Amino acid sequence: AQSVTQLGSHVSVSEGALVLLRCNYSSSVPPYLFWYVQYPNQGLQLLLKYTSAATLVKGINDFEAEFKKSETSFHLTKPSAHMSDAAEYFCAVSPSGNTPLVFGKGTRLSVIA
Amino acid sequence: GAGVSQSPSNKVTEKGKDVELRCDPISGHTALYWYRQRLGQGLEFLIYFQGNSAPDKSGLPSDRFSAERTGESVSTLTIQRTQQEDSAVYLCASSLDGVGEQYFGPGTRLTVT
Repeated sequence: AQSVTQLGSHVSVSEGALVLLRCNYSSSVPPYLFWYVQYPNQGLQLLLKYTSAATLVKGINDFEAEFKKSETSFHLTKPSAHMSDAAEYFCAVSPSGNTPLVFGKGTRLSVIA
Repeated sequence: GAGVSQSPSNKVTEKGKDVELRCDPISGHTALYWYRQRLGQGLEFLIYFQGNSAPDKSGLPSDRFSAERTGESVSTLTIQRTQQEDSAVYLCASSLDGVGEQYFGPGTRLTVT
């Protein structure tokens, strides 16, 4: 069975600082991996996805994530946090891309001025 | 273009009542998913429709939950004899052919009193 672990339910960074949100997955096959963002009172929006092409994936708003098979990780980073990045971030995995997503529990990102 | 829409946006119901939640997917999307997001939790998969195939109901938590989809359009999630633990945000998503990115609606916040 697939599973996703997001380390840290809450991460707080200063404006302009590096953002690092951690995600580890378990999968018996090479997975499809996703990061979604949920702003307050809004639906989920796709940030980026890994589908077995380049291991470094670039997404919207300067976010990127690197697929590391040896570490079964797909951590999300952004070089410089903005206040507008404050939101809930979810990592998700799908074993074949055409099955329901398995989500982590989410990480709430706070950005301090 | 229009995204995934859901109605109602908020629903308050008394314990024991039945509720129906509606999802309008993006036109042309053959795959439709229902997820549940309870407070402080990640998203839990409920049910998945793909074209004319039998739906994947493996995520439904009890027989009080059911869902229907008319062709490749509207879906309705029904919860019978609601319980307080059913309180959650119910999210609907659709994808073009069941592969890759899922587009999420804004959700229906269900409160059972």
